[in-house]
Amino acid sequence: QKEVEQNSGPLSVPEGAIASLNCTYSDRVSQSFFWYRQYSGKSPELIMSIYSNGDKEDGRFTAQLNKASQYVSLLIRDSQPSDSATYLCAVNNGGYQKVTFGTGTKLQVIP
Amino acid sequence: DGGITQSPKYLFRKEGQNVTLSCEQNLNHDAMYWYRQDPGQGLRLIYYSQIVNDFQKGDIAEGYSVSREKKESFPLTVTSAQKNPTAFYLCASSIIGDDTQYFGPGTRLTVL
Repeated sequence: QKEVEQNSGPLSVPEGAIASLNCTYSDRVSQSFFWYRQYSGKSPELIMSIYSNGDKEDGRFTAQLNKASQYVSLLIRDSQPSDSATYLCAVNNGGYQKVTFGTGTKLQVIP
Repeated sequence: DGGITQSPKYLFRKEGQNVTLSCEQNLNHDAMYWYRQDPGQGLRLIYYSQIVNDFQKGDIAEGYSVSREKKESFPLTVTSAQKNPTAFYLCASSIIGDDTQYFGPGTRLTVL
């Protein structure tokens, strides 16, 4: 059973702090990893993709991938109340562009 | 203005009815997908299509049907055989060779 696991939260952080969101996956052959943000009642929007071990930065967001430990994380620096949303981790297991989504972590940024 | 559109935004269905959800994209993407999202659960793949006139079942295809007559369009029919259709339905698309998926705004289906 291919799985992507996330802590459902809520994860509460004060405004201006670093939010750290984690995701583990079970399939060692996974190739591609994605983070989506989903506001309540809305559809997921892509934040970042990462394919190689290490860090990838885009503005306030940093994705970290460790294939040996089978985890991928998302750091949000200088968290803002507008960052309050559910963050979905997604993993491509290499088959016909099929992507497996985690259940998401709800982030609350407290002003 | 490129993107993915889904209609309607809200849909109400009586038991025993078939309903069709529309998904259109003008991104020139080859692959299109339908997902279902229920509270507390991840997105579950219903059907996907990589080329016109071809599509494959996903993890939860029972009670659903699709067609892909045009590259831009991938409608989903929720049939009366789907016993628990109330959910948020999301359409997505991607370029072949790039597995990054982009989502439409979604259709919220409620069975009365």
